Amino acid sequence: EVQLVESGGGLVQPGGSLKLSCAASGFTFSGSAMHWVRQASGKGLEWVGRIRSKANSYATAYAASVKGRFTISRDDSKNTAYLQMNSLKTEDTAVYYCRDGIHWGQGTLVTVSS
Amino acid sequence: DIVMTQSPDSLAVSLGERATINCKSSQSVLYSSNNKNYLAWYQQKPGQPPKLLIYWASTRESGVPDRFSGSGSGTDFTLTISSLQAEDVAVYYCQQYYSTLSITFGQGTRLEIK
Repeated sequence: EVQLVESGGGLVQPGGSLKLSCAASGFTFSGSAMHWVRQASGKGLEWVGRIRSKANSYATAYAASVKGRFTISRDDSKNTAYLQMNSLKTEDTAVYYCRDGIHWGQGTLVTVSS
Repeated sequence: DIVMTQSPDSLAVSLGERATINCKSSQSVLYSSNNKNYLAWYQQKPGQPPKLLIYWASTRESGVPDRFSGSGSGTDFTLTISSLQAEDVAVYYCQQYYSTLSITFGQGTRLEIK
């Protein structure tokens, strides 16, 4: 059974940093591109970015709204993807989901507030 | 970025009746080299992550009931639920993955029972 479990969310002040993790199991993690998608309360889905597999040079891409502030990485030995979020803004408050091509985690809530 | 626009924003349909949701992209998501439309549909129920229903515009994901179908090509797409069931109440999103540097979602369509 495929499982994606996000962790690391919480309350952080504007300008602060947070690192989210996505632990994967039940599929060949090393061969899969991994994405992060966020959803503010009561709002729609916003793609944050993705990281491709080693075979695709771990290429990353980001939404314009987070480029330069967020960094996606992965550790294939741990079957885990990461989302490093710096210079956080109140508008980054959302549930953050990780996903592969098909499956989604349950999400982790990030709240940016003073 | 490719802009995805869904219509209507909300929809109320009687049980057993047909529900139709439209999605229009600001540019074609049909890749000519393989004749595939890079368009997916997701269902999201309250408090849950999105669930993949349809990919390549018309291919049903494993386990998705056959009352769900996708159609369209180029810039205009449709998700049809042939006979609405109570468990289909959800928000539905289309998403393009033609541009892998910037994946985008529609704003969502809320489907309710009339």
